[in-house]
Amino acid sequence: DTGVSQNPRHKITKRGQNVTFRCDPISEHNRLYWYRQTLGQGPEFLTYFQNEAQLEKSRLLSDRFSAERPKGSFSTLEIQRTEQGDSAMYLCASSQSRTGSNQPQHFGDGTRLSIL
Amino acid sequence: KNEVEQSPQNLTAQEGEFITINCSYSVGISALHWLQQHPGGGIVSLFMLSSGKKKHGRLIATINIQEKHSSLHITASHPRDSAVYICAVLGNRSQGNLIFGKGTKLSVKP
Repeated sequence: DTGVSQNPRHKITKRGQNVTFRCDPISEHNRLYWYRQTLGQGPEFLTYFQNEAQLEKSRLLSDRFSAERPKGSFSTLEIQRTEQGDSAMYLCASSQSRTGSNQPQHFGDGTRLSIL
Repeated sequence: KNEVEQSPQNLTAQEGEFITINCSYSVGISALHWLQQHPGGGIVSLFMLSSGKKKHGRLIATINIQEKHSSLHITASHPRDSAVYICAVLGNRSQGNLIFGKGTKLSVKP
């Protein structure tokens, strides 16, 4: 079990640029979640996938944000035309869904995005 | 009002003290998580519970579903326990996304 891996750990970019983050979940996990955490706040849900299907998106996920999980394994989160307010920690988590029982989510270390 | 409220926001304790962090929520839930976040961002799941009480080492988590309240206790606190502790709930109508509290920042002094 290598855990949930996120890359890069840190990203600094100028306002207006596009950025892409990657998340590699635990291999047998079919669910993958993206969260965003700003300084001093708890994480907030952005979106989640079951296998390759994106099942739910938060209203926080504006049209500048897009997430994919093309083969049901790793996922990417892209932010286009970044804005100052996008500066945050982007967290990925994965879990294995089982009918009738809740399974804990395992979190990656996050990607910290700083917009200059 | 947030759906998940934690108290206190900040907590400073002396090594060895017994610590309690509280979490109240306003939605129906199927499970509640206690998470630990260290500086740098990584989050570790401590407990997931839907009723009663769980214990792991010096950590104890309890939940009262009727009162919509959970507590996380740390016995014999140690400086390495210093971290942000986050309560998160899984709504019973949710497909899996967690609703998080703002966290409690704990600092244990030697």
